[in-house]
Amino acid sequence: DAGITQSPRHKVTETGTPVTLRCHQTENHRYMYWYRQDPGHGLRLIHYSYGVKDTDKGEVSDGYSVSRSKTEDFLLTLESATSSQTSVYFCAISDIRDNYEQYFGPGTRLTVT
Amino acid sequence: AQSVTQPDIHITVSEGASLELRCNYSYGATPYLFWYVQSPGQGLQLLLKYFSGDTLVQGIKGFEAEFKRSQSSFNLRKPSVHWSDAAEYFCAVGPQQTGANNLFFGTGTRLTVIP
Repeated sequence: DAGITQSPRHKVTETGTPVTLRCHQTENHRYMYWYRQDPGHGLRLIHYSYGVKDTDKGEVSDGYSVSRSKTEDFLLTLESATSSQTSVYFCAISDIRDNYEQYFGPGTRLTVT
Repeated sequence: AQSVTQPDIHITVSEGASLELRCNYSYGATPYLFWYVQSPGQGLQLLLKYFSGDTLVQGIKGFEAEFKRSQSSFNLRKPSVHWSDAAEYFCAVGPQQTGANNLFFGTGTRLTVIP
């Protein structure tokens, strides 16, 4: 399995509080992604990174920000969590060495009350 | 616009029976196509992928899929289903380019296997 960890694995937070989710990889892959998974929607891309300090928006980026200060870590921040951001969040990585196949982390279940 | 349609939300099959999960895509160029499987509470695992060449691709766990350009389809098949195949299956499409391959996922098909 690809070396991808996500922390925390579960979190319950209140509306209006800031939340940061962390994705850590040990594969030295260039590209990293954040998705959210919701029933009836499959997975939707929030943000992605194509290198250190290089990020771009995905399909559902409103209310989220990201940062990547080093290759191995990609942080997803909810500045002011809302109930609509209750979801399961997955991190993924890819690289040319693996034909850009995406490997997924175990997920973080976030509940905003 | 890119999109992936998995028309079957839930499929139930008997153990040992054959399986076909449907996937149709809309994409402006020749796509990369993927099938992922997700067991309950787990992340996604790649079953197989199509980049180019032979349109029938073999994957792990005895799965295969066939790319049919004329039908914009990439259906997943397995000749004999095992109880351990019960999971959710996602089809995804991405760009044929070097670099970040932002994938678009279907809404998934949940497979139930009955004895």
